[in-house]
Amino acid sequence: QKEVEQNSGPLSVPEGAIASLNCTYSDRVSQSFFWYRQYSGKSPELIMSIYSNGDKEDGRFTAQLNKASQYVSLLIRDSQPSDSATYLCAVTGNNDMRFGAGTRLTVKP
Amino acid sequence: EAGVAQSPRYKIIEKRQSVAFWCNPISGHATLYWYQQILGQGPKLLIQFQNNGVVDDSQLPKDRFSAERLKGVDSTLKIQPAKLEDSAVYLCASSRDRGLSVGGIQYFGAGTRLSVL
Repeated sequence: QKEVEQNSGPLSVPEGAIASLNCTYSDRVSQSFFWYRQYSGKSPELIMSIYSNGDKEDGRFTAQLNKASQYVSLLIRDSQPSDSATYLCAVTGNNDMRFGAGTRLTVKP
Repeated sequence: EAGVAQSPRYKIIEKRQSVAFWCNPISGHATLYWYQQILGQGPKLLIQFQNNGVVDDSQLPKDRFSAERLKGVDSTLKIQPAKLEDSAVYLCASSRDRGLSVGGIQYFGAGTRLSVL
């Protein structure tokens, strides 16, 4: 069974802090990795995509991928209350996309 | 650019009834996906279409679920008969790229929230 595991949280950080979200996956042939943000009652929206080992930065967001450890993370710098949402890790490979259950993040003012 | 359109937004039915959901992808997007998201879980891929052909439907419960994309644009997902455990949000997504094998970026619709009583 191919699994994508995330800490369900909730993760609570103060405004301005760095939020660190983690994800592990079991299928070694996974090729593409995504982070989606989902506000309560809304559909997922893409935050970051990463395809090769290392770091990828986009504004306040940094995705990190380590295929040897089967690990992908998302760092949110200068966290804002508007970042409060559930963050979904998604992994694709071989025409299959699997999502983790998501980590609920709360940023407190 | 208009987003992925889905209807209805909400549906309440009794168990053993039938229900259908409709999706119109972003213009020009060849690949269309249907997901089921149960409360507290991540989305689960039910079926993937490339134009009007099925690429993957391995997680679609075919005894009660069916989906079609006859002209390679709009798609419908049907449940017949519905069970209590089908209560979920049904999300449609589309991507320009040729599917998940090439890391296609997906754009999601607002979803249809189904409650089966």
